[in-house]
Amino acid sequence: ETGVTQTPRHLVMGMTNKKSLKCEQHLGHNAMYWYKQSAKKPLELMFVYNFKEQTENNSVPSRFSPECPNSSHLFLHLHTLQPEDSALYLCASSQVSLQETQYFGPGTRLLVL
Amino acid sequence: ELKVEQNPLFLSMQEGKNYTIYCNYSTTSDRLYWYRQDPGKSLESLFVLLSNGAVKQEGRLMASLDTKARLSTLHITAAVHDLSATYFCAVGQPGYYGNKLVFGAGTILRVKS
Repeated sequence: ETGVTQTPRHLVMGMTNKKSLKCEQHLGHNAMYWYKQSAKKPLELMFVYNFKEQTENNSVPSRFSPECPNSSHLFLHLHTLQPEDSALYLCASSQVSLQETQYFGPGTRLLVL
Repeated sequence: ELKVEQNPLFLSMQEGKNYTIYCNYSTTSDRLYWYRQDPGKSLESLFVLLSNGAVKQEGRLMASLDTKARLSTLHITAAVHDLSATYFCAVGQPGYYGNKLVFGAGTILRVKS
């Protein structure tokens, strides 16, 4: 595997379900990010992790719970979601440096029924 | 609060023509990123602009940054069908712990043959 991978690629869940999204980066980076991309809004930053520590929570509802067990893996735990949470969830990683280009994974397309 | 505006939001152009996409932002930053997204795919990094007057070119695309005007442009020369995609600019708010990016809404480019 190379780059940034995400699983699953597609997910359908009911409002009472609990599910998790997984992201893994194979680039040796030390920062990881969750973004939400929906049709109605620009790409929105949700969470930032640096060296496994959460350094940014962009006012995300508590029904989204991130977890970063190490600098290569990032999870987004989902519970009691709403239909308006349906979106493409993108994971990204970067190396904290002057340039700090973020490299994105393919995303998980989530549909909440 | 940093705001990023792109225009136009939709651009339909003929092959062989030139055009420019504009990205304006509201607060001081010296980090500007351009990404490309194909339908159903993730974001691909195109350019990183890190200083006033920076200009970068790759093939038919050229990006520039004017930090005093808080403006970046993405110029397309002699468009070809393969350039059809959505183009995003993102402005960086650098911090020690990761790079908080604020994205524009994106410009959907369609190149007609």
